[in-house]
Amino acid sequence: ETGVTQTPRHLVMGMTNKKSLKCEQHLGHNAMYWYKQSAKKPLELMFVYSLEERVENNSVPSRFSPECPNSSHLFLHLHTLQPEDSALYLCASSRALAGGRNEQFFGPGTRLTVL
Amino acid sequence: TQLLEQSPQFLSIQEGENLTVYCNSSSVFSSLQWYRQEPGEGPVLLVTVVTGGEVKKLKRLTFQFGDARKDSSLHITAAQPGDTGLYLCAGDTGRRALTFGSGTRLQVQP
Repeated sequence: ETGVTQTPRHLVMGMTNKKSLKCEQHLGHNAMYWYKQSAKKPLELMFVYSLEERVENNSVPSRFSPECPNSSHLFLHLHTLQPEDSALYLCASSRALAGGRNEQFFGPGTRLTVL
Repeated sequence: TQLLEQSPQFLSIQEGENLTVYCNSSSVFSSLQWYRQEPGEGPVLLVTVVTGGEVKKLKRLTFQFGDARKDSSLHITAAQPGDTGLYLCAGDTGRRALTFGSGTRLQVQP
């Protein structure tokens, strides 16, 4: 148990569906992240939030829409996804963005399959 | 774009053997972290190294940060099946998010 929870753990959706992934951290951290992990690829950073403000968006398609209502919760809203979006989506948090010791604590991930 | 290259990509060994995993970059990092990820779970932080030349030990795992803070290694002594997993290194430039390596997938056969 890392203090970061994600729901659901598994999700199967059609290309026309709308769904949301939820992440919650119980560590009192100020920064939260969404990553995509596909087979045979490095972890891909998608979005970064610091103090509920989005500070980084790594050219992610608009069919992925993040939301950070407070420093403990992070959502990823999904709409009209493509089969190539099937992957493990990981949420992480850290005390701060600032450098030095940006140690990240990950949730267990949501395994997403797009049919 | 900063790249962190890990080698080898895959490693399958017998229980009791020793191994070393490498993480290399042309960029300088203020710190470097190692994570282990087991199937169906998120990565778990093992260690952070900060000072060039630093060596840290975690039971049978020894982590070293290169003098120039561009590379790192992870050495496992007498590997056990419980060491099986994906090992990821991640570099911190001090600006924003971490840069992750592509990972080394380790399988330790009993």
